Amino acid sequence: DAMVIQNPRYQVTQFGKPVTLSCSQTLNHNVMYWYQQKSSQAPKLLFHYYDKDFNNEADTPDNFQSRRPNTSFCFLDIRSPGLGDAAMYLCATSRGNGQETQYFGPGTRLLVL
Amino acid sequence: GQQVMQIPQYQHVQEGEDFTTYCNSSTTLSNIQWYKQRPGGHPVFLIQLVKSGEVKKQKRLTFQFGEAKKNSSLHITATQTTDVGTYFCAAGSYQLTFGKGTKLSVIP
Repeated sequence: DAMVIQNPRYQVTQFGKPVTLSCSQTLNHNVMYWYQQKSSQAPKLLFHYYDKDFNNEADTPDNFQSRRPNTSFCFLDIRSPGLGDAAMYLCATSRGNGQETQYFGPGTRLLVL
Repeated sequence: GQQVMQIPQYQHVQEGEDFTTYCNSSTTLSNIQWYKQRPGGHPVFLIQLVKSGEVKKQKRLTFQFGEAKKNSSLHITATQTTDVGTYFCAAGSYQLTFGKGTKLSVIP
């Protein structure tokens, strides 16, 4: 059974048109993360939630926002996508008890036209 | 965050040969994690090392954490085509910093 689910798997948007990617988890983990991964690069952490506490990475552009309405769901909002935002977006979770093994979802590949 | 350097960037091996990827940091790491990402897939957790000098094995995979907790390695014995993918080391707690990864190709 899928534990970290991301929808959609592929998303096409237009330059400047807001887009939302979603993530849900059945693990009841406290921590949820959003990563950006470009081709042949390592995942880059954008931000994470510990429960309802939002933690933004210093170099994450303001164009990227996130919401976590409850334990199970987390959203990534890209307010005005640029061509450089085309990438794979990975959601991950961890327990939040100090043993921070991260469980990744399958990712959403974003294409910006 | 903690910075980690990973080498080599690419490794091509003949099936049955061994493979090693190395991860280094200029600072002492509290722990190190290893992930595998298959082509077109997502990172999958392999193991976490926390103790100085720790060695852990998973079948043909051997993971080591250096005595000074500044380096780590992943060694695969007798590679198989199923080992193909990119292997990442990652350091940190909640804010994981990934190494650039080593992309392993296995020639049948």
